[in-house]
Amino acid sequence: DQQVKQNSPSLSVQEGRISILNCDYTNSMFDYFLWYKKYPAEGPTFLISISSIKDKNEDGRFTVFLNKSAKHLSLHIVPSQPGDSAVYFCAANTAAGNKLTFGGGTRVLVKP
Amino acid sequence: EPEVTQTPSHQVTQMGQEVILRCVPISNHLYFYWYRQILGQKVEFLVSFYNNEISEKSEIFDDQFSVERPDGSNFTLKIRSTKLEDSAMYFCASSVYRTGGTNTEAFFGQGTRLTVV
Repeated sequence: DQQVKQNSPSLSVQEGRISILNCDYTNSMFDYFLWYKKYPAEGPTFLISISSIKDKNEDGRFTVFLNKSAKHLSLHIVPSQPGDSAVYFCAANTAAGNKLTFGGGTRVLVKP
Repeated sequence: EPEVTQTPSHQVTQMGQEVILRCVPISNHLYFYWYRQILGQKVEFLVSFYNNEISEKSEIFDDQFSVERPDGSNFTLKIRSTKLEDSAMYFCASSVYRTGGTNTEAFFGQGTRLTVV
């Protein structure tokens, strides 16, 4: 099941620079998208979300962009901080459904 | 800040044994979920639960699995006869509303690592 795909398994970025995480999806019924952050031995923590009626949502250092025609979304973190080092999951849901479909995750390492 | 709590954090069981994983969702949440993550793989949806019944389940959630909300606070996942391939991190989650749409994000517990030997 590859309905949600994160093609970059890892990303390394210098502190203070921008981190860009990408996510692609195939199911055109998805209409709500979320990003979760996960530290080792913890559960996923909600970060930011976007509805399909928008193309951008911003919350502090985190911005999510949605390109529906390309079935692509991205998460921008700026500036990146060492505490942002974690695994980031993209997830999606349909209007009628009640479950999240997750991508495989991208491990981000922010170097001081 | 309210959080979803899961017990135990780690459970080791012999193949064929029954296990019960426990969760206390956030108190004002109405929707409850179980997800699992096999080591090195994606987080996968198992089941969602609302109004004391299953609202959606995946193909993984076969007859060996069951969920229950035995009282007003706990939400449990039972695996009747564990198999080696059930070894995974199991996450409980809850949300105020059905996931989808503004302010309907699911909040996850810290997980229970189930090891079947």
